[in-house]
Amino acid sequence: EDQVTQSPEALRLQEGESSSLNCSYTVSGLRGLFWYRQDPGKGPEFLFTLYSAGEEKEKERLKATLTKKESFLHITAPKPEDSATYLCAVQAIGAGSYQLTFGKGTKLSVIP
Amino acid sequence: DTGVSQDPRHKITKRGQNVTFRCDPISEHNRLYWYRQTLGQGPEFLTYFQNEAQLEKSRLLSDRFSAERPKGSFSTLEIQRTEQGDSAMYLCASSQRHSPLHFGNGTRLTVT
Repeated sequence: EDQVTQSPEALRLQEGESSSLNCSYTVSGLRGLFWYRQDPGKGPEFLFTLYSAGEEKEKERLKATLTKKESFLHITAPKPEDSATYLCAVQAIGAGSYQLTFGKGTKLSVIP
Repeated sequence: DTGVSQDPRHKITKRGQNVTFRCDPISEHNRLYWYRQTLGQGPEFLTYFQNEAQLEKSRLLSDRFSAERPKGSFSTLEIQRTEQGDSAMYLCASSQRHSPLHFGNGTRLTVT
């Protein structure tokens, strides 16, 4: 069974204080790993897809990386508007490969 | 691209009543998904449509749940004889092949 574990559950940062969120995963064969951002009362908003170990993607202050066992979402010099819950999900190769298995998320709070 | 639209945004119902939610996907997307999210958890897969065909249902989807996608356009999710445990955010997402899922802002169901 595919599993995704995110840590920490919650993270408070001062504005400008860089940090990383972790996503550890277990999957029989990885088709893709996805990062989403979710604001309260809203649906998840797509950020990145990573397909193979060593791959990196960047968008503004966010950078996602992937190894064979985990992914990191690095946040550089965060701003208060980066406050949200960040969700990690995996898609497996094979039967049921259209399903995403999500972690519980990391709730990020950036304090001015 | 107007995004994935879900209606209603909020629904309060009494235990035992039936409810129906609607999802309008992004127009050119032929794949449609329903997920359920409870407080503090990541979204959980419920069911998947490719065009009008329902290709997969999670074991989370009890007999009280039914989903349809007539003519491969909008989709409805019906819950019969609602229970308090059905209280959650019901998320719809759509995609094209090899593209990430785009989520709507969900329907929040409260069963009293």
